[in-house]
Amino acid sequence: DAGVIQSPRHEVTEMGQEVTLRCKPISGHNSLFWYRQTMMRGLELLIYFNNNVPIDDSGMPEDRFSAKMPNASFSTLKIQPSEPRDSAVYFCASSLTSGSTNSYNEQFFGPGTRLTVL
Amino acid sequence: AQRVTQPEKLLSVFKGAPVELKCNYSYSGSPELFWYVQYSRQRLQLLLRHISRESIKGFTADLNKGETSFHLKKPFAQEEDSAMYYCALKFAGRRALTFGSGTRLQVQP
Repeated sequence: DAGVIQSPRHEVTEMGQEVTLRCKPISGHNSLFWYRQTMMRGLELLIYFNNNVPIDDSGMPEDRFSAKMPNASFSTLKIQPSEPRDSAVYFCASSLTSGSTNSYNEQFFGPGTRLTVL
Repeated sequence: AQRVTQPEKLLSVFKGAPVELKCNYSYSGSPELFWYVQYSRQRLQLLLRHISRESIKGFTADLNKGETSFHLKKPFAQEEDSAMYYCALKFAGRRALTFGSGTRLQVQP
């Protein structure tokens, strides 16, 4: 199993351009999480999906950010228009969740996408 | 608001020295706490969780509800322990984790 797959691994773009990050969760997992990692703020949750439905998007910085999960095996995080302050490493993670939200199921992380906005 | 604080961005120790990575949390309910680790060029991965009360790679962490802390400890650091360590909190009703800002551990030879 290749684990969580993210693409691209590196993205360099210019301010104002649209950026799309992609994630393929582990097969059979039903929860998917998008995190952003920066030096100053560490690892922050942007949004998570359960059974393809967005559950909590309170971490999405602003309207420039949007995320979709059209099916159980694919998710995208889009930034439009991108800004230099969006430069960070974006991680996708997935887990198999069952039962109540009080139970914890280990999250498995992808390798991340390093985004640089010039 | 729920928050996880890791006060040290960088902790540098010599091989064989004891290590303690600090983590404090703010949460009024019963927390679940975790330590995640990211080695160089590897994925972020779960190191241990407080419920398991286990020792992984020589690391232990005890939940102290009185001090709202979950410090990660190892009596004798090894060079291969050098990595980025994140403390994380899960609170009731939410599947996602709240992470601290991370501490980079450097173990020097």
